[in-house]
Amino acid sequence: DADVTQTPRNRITKTGKRIMLECSQTKGHDRMYWYRQDPGLGLRLIYYSFDVKDINKGEISDGYSVSRQAQAKFSLSLESAIPNQTALYFCATSDPGPQTSGGRTDTQYFGPGTRLTVL
Amino acid sequence: KQEVTQIPAALSVPEGENLVLNCSFTDSAIYNLQWFRQDPGKGLTSLLLIQSSQREQTSGRLNASLDKSSGRSTLYIAASQPGDSATYLCAVRAAGNKLTFGGGTRVLVKP
Repeated sequence: DADVTQTPRNRITKTGKRIMLECSQTKGHDRMYWYRQDPGLGLRLIYYSFDVKDINKGEISDGYSVSRQAQAKFSLSLESAIPNQTALYFCATSDPGPQTSGGRTDTQYFGPGTRLTVL
Repeated sequence: KQEVTQIPAALSVPEGENLVLNCSFTDSAIYNLQWFRQDPGKGLTSLLLIQSSQREQTSGRLNASLDKSSGRSTLYIAASQPGDSATYLCAVRAAGNKLTFGGGTRVLVKP
């Protein structure tokens, strides 16, 4: 079984609808992230959480909200979807790793992605 | 604000040729740099991570170099195979513990 799973994998919705994307992980990591990817662009961070009681905005959090229900679950919501939120959404987890002279490695592990289309 | 650029956006090579993928970043104050592979319908897979104190990392046919002072990293893939066809992304980690990604290079290795 995959370590990081996302549901749904594909979703088509209409403008104004509320949408929730879910992420679950079995890696036992405290840190979880939500990113979006647009064609030809890199991934951009929407929200991240370093433990169950910690939620932080990323660079493009407007129009999104998140919920960290448990260590293993991190959900992303679009309260009122709009067409420019059409994108590929990725969830990721990380373990900070050992402290080194260059900082912690904090390797991230990604889910398979959710393709969201807002009409 | 950190900006990460990958040029070219797409690359096509015949099987057996060595691949050279470039990544540049604007702020040299980084903790580490990672190279990822992205396949259609799948998530990103981490290939190599180079700490800021390192000059290169190697894994099998892959070798990544880092020149922090000039803001550049290069990923070399030796003797390319059709299975190497994918999109390759680089990402840098800096203060705030967040990754900044480049736009990726889409690679096609022709048999």
